Amino acid sequence: DIQLTQSPSFLSASVGDRVTITCRASQGIRSNLAWYQQSPGRAPNLLIYGASTLQSGVPSRFSGSGAGTEFTLTISSLQPEDFATYYCQHLNDDFGTFGQGTRLEIE
Amino acid sequence: QVQLVQSGAEVKKPGSLVKVSCKASGVSLSRHTVSWVRQAPGQGLEWMGRIISLFGIPNYAQKFQDRVKIKTDESTNTAYMELSSLRSDDTAVYYCAIEAPPDEVDYYLHGWGQGTLVTVS
Repeated sequence: DIQLTQSPSFLSASVGDRVTITCRASQGIRSNLAWYQQSPGRAPNLLIYGASTLQSGVPSRFSGSGAGTEFTLTISSLQPEDFATYYCQHLNDDFGTFGQGTRLEIE
Repeated sequence: QVQLVQSGAEVKKPGSLVKVSCKASGVSLSRHTVSWVRQAPGQGLEWMGRIISLFGIPNYAQKFQDRVKIKTDESTNTAYMELSSLRSDDTAVYYCAIEAPPDEVDYYLHGWGQGTLVTVS
């Protein structure tokens, strides 16, 4: 099965910072990758799909890129509500898998 | 607008079975795939499986293959997840989620239930 590895697992940053989270797949998955944001006690929220397509209603400071085995999620200017945990996910006809998560905290 | 409302929290004994429901509105489960994802306390997200509603075919993660059943009831527009032979490490919040429409190229989960806490003790 395909495995996703996120880095870093923990990230400390300040409001206004630009941050990047990386997700590496154990084998090529083309552009079949989604990113989710999860705040404590809440269900995950879809941010990006198809590696780079912004979900409707998601602020434009979020962007995704990559294809094959390496993907990135970038937040261009952190806002207070962005401090949360982020997950990448691959889903196909046969199975799904998530990265282990990246916890983004206020510095 | 897609809305998924899950059943309430459960406390179960080891070895027993739990059934969690997920009632949909704003979307027909006869035409959309529903995935189930769980999250143990303080841990990450884990995909358990799905029901490909268009064909009524379930698709399970290997880890849960022998213990999970996922179904839909089109008459009530409700999806169900049953997990049997419960263990303490099955204690988690269980989420249902709607996958991208079948005519889309991309795969993603765009609508989520509120989660159901299952405690095995």
